[in-house]
Amino acid sequence: DTAVSQTPKYLVTQMGNDKSIKCEQNLGHDTMYWYKQDSKKFLKIMFSYNNKELIINETVPNRFSPKSPDKAHLNLHINSLELGDSAVYFCASSQGDYSDTQYFGPGTRLTVL
Amino acid sequence: SQELEQSPQSLIVQEGKNLTINCTSSKTLYGLYWYKQKYGEGLIFLMMLQKGGEEKSHEKITAKLDEKKQQSSLHITASQPSHAGIYLCGADNTGRRALTFGSGTRLQVQP
Repeated sequence: DTAVSQTPKYLVTQMGNDKSIKCEQNLGHDTMYWYKQDSKKFLKIMFSYNNKELIINETVPNRFSPKSPDKAHLNLHINSLELGDSAVYFCASSQGDYSDTQYFGPGTRLTVL
Repeated sequence: SQELEQSPQSLIVQEGKNLTINCTSSKTLYGLYWYKQKYGEGLIFLMMLQKGGEEKSHEKITAKLDEKKQQSSLHITASQPSHAGIYLCGADNTGRRALTFGSGTRLQVQP
């Protein structure tokens, strides 16, 4: 009955590699988000998609590319990983109206060596 | 300075005690969200406030919004060990549903 799920939960990889994190929501929401929580625990928005359309892109390097094959999925692909990309990445979703709650996934801890 | 300031950064209370966590935004608030995060886990939604003076309660947790001061407070009554965790306030400062979060308040409740 998981509402927002992410895979994998942990990801350890070498610098320079390309990796993807998957997110799926079964809540029927039409908006999905990616957030990054850095080592200081600050949680910051990266992207949001509404009905598969990019709405927000918050000065994230081009190496990060979100892909939304359908409303229920928003995957995050990262090219040429750098040490500074190490963080916990959270996916979230909400229903259309801006006042609606954002539901978060469990997070993916990415470690770049 | 951060756009969203939370205080205190950490809090240790005895079980049964009341406590308050504050969140202040330096920008206009379209919505203020409170979440709880357990170590290594995702965020659990607690409450969302939109209107000035709004107050919401869920079990022993009450949140208030002072729109003029751009502040919100989260109050826990008769704290229990199950309340332990990191409390995060998130602000929608643009109306685009992109939330900015504070650094969190780590709460420990001692039996």
